[in-house]
Amino acid sequence: QVQLVESGGGVVQPGRSLRLSCAASGFTFNSYGMHWVRQAPGKGLEWVAIIWYDGSKKYYADSVKGRFTISRDNSRNTVYLQMNSLRAEDTAVFYCAREGYPHSTDYGTLDSWGQGTLVTVSS
Amino acid sequence: QSALTQPASVSGSPGQSIAMSCTGTSSDVGSYKLVSWYQHHPGKAPKLMIHEDTKRPSGVSDRFSGSKSGNTASLTISGLQADDEADYYCCSYGSSSTSVVFGGGTKLTVL
Repeated sequence: QVQLVESGGGVVQPGRSLRLSCAASGFTFNSYGMHWVRQAPGKGLEWVAIIWYDGSKKYYADSVKGRFTISRDNSRNTVYLQMNSLRAEDTAVFYCAREGYPHSTDYGTLDSWGQGTLVTVSS
Repeated sequence: QSALTQPASVSGSPGQSIAMSCTGTSSDVGSYKLVSWYQHHPGKAPKLMIHEDTKRPSGVSDRFSGSKSGNTASLTISGLQADDEADYYCCSYGSSSTSVVFGGGTKLTVL
């Protein structure tokens, strides 16, 4: 079955960097787009970024554009989120999720999710 | 990237039916057959309940159904059960920023 396991969260000071990882198993990883979604404490879900199945296209939420970078290593079945210039408002649980159809160029169906990793930005 | 608009809360008694709305614009909900709905119990992973406006994934109860009219999508849950109590989020692809946008979420309370 599909399994997504996030790691790399923790406490980081404002302005510093952190890299999240999401290890995937149970499916043909290089056929699926992958998303990052976050949920700040007491708030709703916020979409962060998507990377296409082949890594050829990447799109970001305005709130993270220029600071966060999504990437993938299809040989390691892993997607990453490099987060730079972190702010207090980036404090959230970060989830990775799989786009629902293989080789999809339309997106918005997040059919499998990890359990999330908590990022706390605080001095 | 404006969030889709959802009511903050809805409630119903066991066995009843409820509907919750999700309002977007002609650049997202109204233009693409790409609205999805997620059930989120606190502390757990969100779960896909409806995709492409009306499709139900394998394993999701047929008590859950999706519909759409214009720029507004709806999720209906029939035969409410205690375990349906959760937060529900709608989501859509949006062309204005070639990205995905979520609604603010609706808290469903089963009385």
